Amino acid sequence: AQSVTQLGSHVSVSEGALVLLRCNYSSSVPPYLFWYVQYPNQGLQLLLKYTTGATLVKGINGFEAEFKKSETSFHLTKPSAHMSDAAEYFCAVSGANQGGKLIFGQGTELSVKP
Amino acid sequence: GAGVSQSPSNKVTEKGKDVELRCDPISGHTALYWYRQSLGQGLEFLIYFQGNSAPDKSGLPSDRFSAERTGGSVSTLTIQRTQQEDSAVYLCASSTGQRNNEQFFGPGTRLTVL
Repeated sequence: AQSVTQLGSHVSVSEGALVLLRCNYSSSVPPYLFWYVQYPNQGLQLLLKYTTGATLVKGINGFEAEFKKSETSFHLTKPSAHMSDAAEYFCAVSGANQGGKLIFGQGTELSVKP
Repeated sequence: GAGVSQSPSNKVTEKGKDVELRCDPISGHTALYWYRQSLGQGLEFLIYFQGNSAPDKSGLPSDRFSAERTGGSVSTLTIQRTQQEDSAVYLCASSTGQRNNEQFFGPGTRLTVL
């Protein structure tokens, strides 16, 4: 069984500040991990993914995430927030030989203050 | 090229009526997924197709829900005898079917059951 926990349903940062969105997972098989972003009234867009190999993954719009097996974490960061980063962010997990279905966390809404 | 499209974008129905939601995946994508996004439950996996077969239907919440896919392309999600708790945004995604390749999401169908 797999599950995802995102700490904080709402995070607020100032423009230019560090963005840190937390994600912890549980998986009985080696996990594949994803971050998706959903802008208001739009569909989900992939930010980045970890499958195998390098544990620090870089994505679009300056975001990155680090897979830490010992901590079962896959936190999303961005050094400097921009107003356009305001959106809802979802962490998701899937496992090998499971058809690729995604198990999502509850989501974190990011607000960016000017 | 065209992305994943879904129709209708909005559907309002009365309790007890049947509804059909349509998904047109990206051309050539063999894998197709249905998810449901609701306030109380977040993003939930419903069903996965590989070609025309559905190896994983584990997320369908009741026997009122069914889905089919024809010609390895278009998929229809049918909800019979709708209930108010079925109100949600129904999202469709497709991928190339390679293990853990990116899923591309459609804009969703917002279903409201009165």
